[in-house]
Amino acid sequence: DAKTTQPTSMDCAEGRAANLPCNHSTISGNEYVYWYRQIHSQGPQYIIHGLKNNETNEMASLIITEDRKSSTLILPHATLRDTAVYYCIVRVVGTGRRALTFGSGTRLQVQP
Amino acid sequence: DAGVIQSPRHEVTEMGQEVTLRCKPISGHDYLFWYRQTMMRGLELLIYFNNNVPIDDSGMPEDRFSAKMPNASFSTLKIQPSEPRDSAVYFCASSQALSGYTDTQYFGPGTRLTVL
Repeated sequence: DAKTTQPTSMDCAEGRAANLPCNHSTISGNEYVYWYRQIHSQGPQYIIHGLKNNETNEMASLIITEDRKSSTLILPHATLRDTAVYYCIVRVVGTGRRALTFGSGTRLQVQP
Repeated sequence: DAGVIQSPRHEVTEMGQEVTLRCKPISGHDYLFWYRQTMMRGLELLIYFNNNVPIDDSGMPEDRFSAKMPNASFSTLKIQPSEPRDSAVYFCASSQALSGYTDTQYFGPGTRLTVL
């Protein structure tokens, strides 16, 4: 699976959009970008994933650059409950190794 | 669905004792994963199963660790004998192999193990 690079930490004001970047310059054509988050003392939680098109669900939006070498997770209206560590993971889907390889992630602190 | 269920939620034991962690995956899921999280090493895979068969156990630290999945609704991770360095949070996750488009993993709440 391709390696990802994320900032160690970020702050965001409550109610504002949180934009979390991820670099994955060695991504292959068949690798998806996944985002998970881990709220303190809980198990990781799936947020969203995509291949090359932008994706949106009830939790967040995922913007993937045209060359697919980077992406941004957007939480449109951050709340205090969004304070968590956010993991960007790049992996092949459907074949091969199924496990997730977690990096260090970005610690997002939503400020009141 | 109740989600992935793990027990116990907390375990405190003494060095040398046997520890058994339990996991019930989401019904219908055919993949089950055991991860371990420590401050030093972060989240790392220990082993995963597909249809109750171990597929990749390369993350199991040593022979003291063993995992079984006797049926589709139950798995155990056993540590015997336990050591202080085994102290960590152990997560179980499950997923369903769909058409190959997505195989989102759902994590349990974890078991916090402390070995004194």
